[in-house]
Amino acid sequence: QVQLQESGPRLLKPSETLSLTCSVSGDSISASSWSWIRRPPGEGLEFLGSIYNSGKTYYTPSVKSRLTMSRDTSKNQFSLKLTSVTAADTAVYYCTRGWGSLDYWGQGILVTVSS
Amino acid sequence: EIVLTQSPDTLSLSPGDRATLSCRASQSFSSNSLAWYQQRPGQAPRLLIYGATSRSTGIPDRFSGSGSGTDFTLTISGLEPEDFAVYYCQQYGSSVRTFGHGTKVEIK
Repeated sequence: QVQLQESGPRLLKPSETLSLTCSVSGDSISASSWSWIRRPPGEGLEFLGSIYNSGKTYYTPSVKSRLTMSRDTSKNQFSLKLTSVTAADTAVYYCTRGWGSLDYWGQGILVTVSS
Repeated sequence: EIVLTQSPDTLSLSPGDRATLSCRASQSFSSNSLAWYQQRPGQAPRLLIYGATSRSTGIPDRFSGSGSGTDFTLTISGLEPEDFAVYYCQQYGSSVRTFGHGTKVEIK
């Protein structure tokens, strides 16, 4: 059974950098592609970006200038870095497996940006 | 960017009823690359349907997907208590993946 778990700070100040890690078990991150999704309070889901099994990345244009995704194959983890956060980045962040349809999801981590 | 419009926003039904949820795209996209997800309160979304019509592993056959081009439908035939949740459609046929804003299926 594939399991994903997000970790990282839950409270940030505006202009700081959000760093999240997704720990994966039950699958090799080198064998599949992985994505980050977020859901702001009271809103719908937003696709942020993907890291493919090749290691190449894709970022949604709305966050492309601030987003970096990477992976650590030795730890079977992948990560997200979002710079210059604002209150608009407050959301539940999910890590998922896939780059099209997303078949496994972490439980999500609520990240709040507030001064 | 392809905009997905889901309707209705809320569907009030009773257990045992049939639910029909719509997802309309602002433009057509490749290969019926459309998925449906269910999200219960406090839980992560769960993949129900991919490729517009294929059920994901372990999904009961009361869930079915149909449609093509720009119009897609999720049907739940005979609502169970655990089916009252929010449902999202998502397209992955264009490079910019997008979700609809969701339809809430609530108990009448």
